Amino acid sequence: DAKTTQPNSMESNEEEPVHLPCNHSTISGTDYIHWYRQLPSQGPEYVIHGLTSNVNNRMASLAIAEDRKSSTLILHRATLRDAAVYYCILRKRGGSEKLVFGKGTKLTVNP
Amino acid sequence: GAVVSQHPSRVICKSGTSVKIECRSLDFQATTMFWYRQFPKKSLMLMATSNEGSKATYEQGVEKDKFLINHASLTLSTLTVTSAHPEDSSFYICSARDPRHPNNEQFFGPGTRLTVL
Repeated sequence: DAKTTQPNSMESNEEEPVHLPCNHSTISGTDYIHWYRQLPSQGPEYVIHGLTSNVNNRMASLAIAEDRKSSTLILHRATLRDAAVYYCILRKRGGSEKLVFGKGTKLTVNP
Repeated sequence: GAVVSQHPSRVICKSGTSVKIECRSLDFQATTMFWYRQFPKKSLMLMATSNEGSKATYEQGVEKDKFLINHASLTLSTLTVTSAHPEDSSFYICSARDPRHPNNEQFFGPGTRLTVL
């Protein structure tokens, strides 16, 4: 399985944009890039996913590099409620539904 | 989004006893559910894939006789930690995919915190 690499932690200030990077240099052509986040003492929740093109939804944007070896999750205006661990996960199209979590990035949002 | 619930949210038991944790999909049917374990300040570790009407598929290193999984209906999977010991204390989380959602996203339960004394 292709692996992802994320910084252990990042900090942001409230109402500022946050760019969370993820490297996946061994990604294959059929791997989707998924992002989930886990708030303290809760189960993870889906944030966004994409394959090749950049994606936007109400929670965030996903910018995928042209060679697909890296991606960036963008929170346009961080709030205190966005403080969580963010996981970048690869999942093969048509493959197993299971998600393999890496260490993720712990995002701290300062007021 | 779809809702996945877990019961209980928190359980404390004595060493040697067995503990059953339920995972329910409240508004959708899930042929497949997943069980994870998470130790403090660590990431989620996939334990097993629970398949409705058939045997669970366990990840390497997970003892199937220790962690019994039953997926008897399309909305319920149970994880039983048998003869629990203090090292089994952890946060157990289940998830399921709602086939109605085009995003292929998984929905996670709120987790069950198990403490074995």
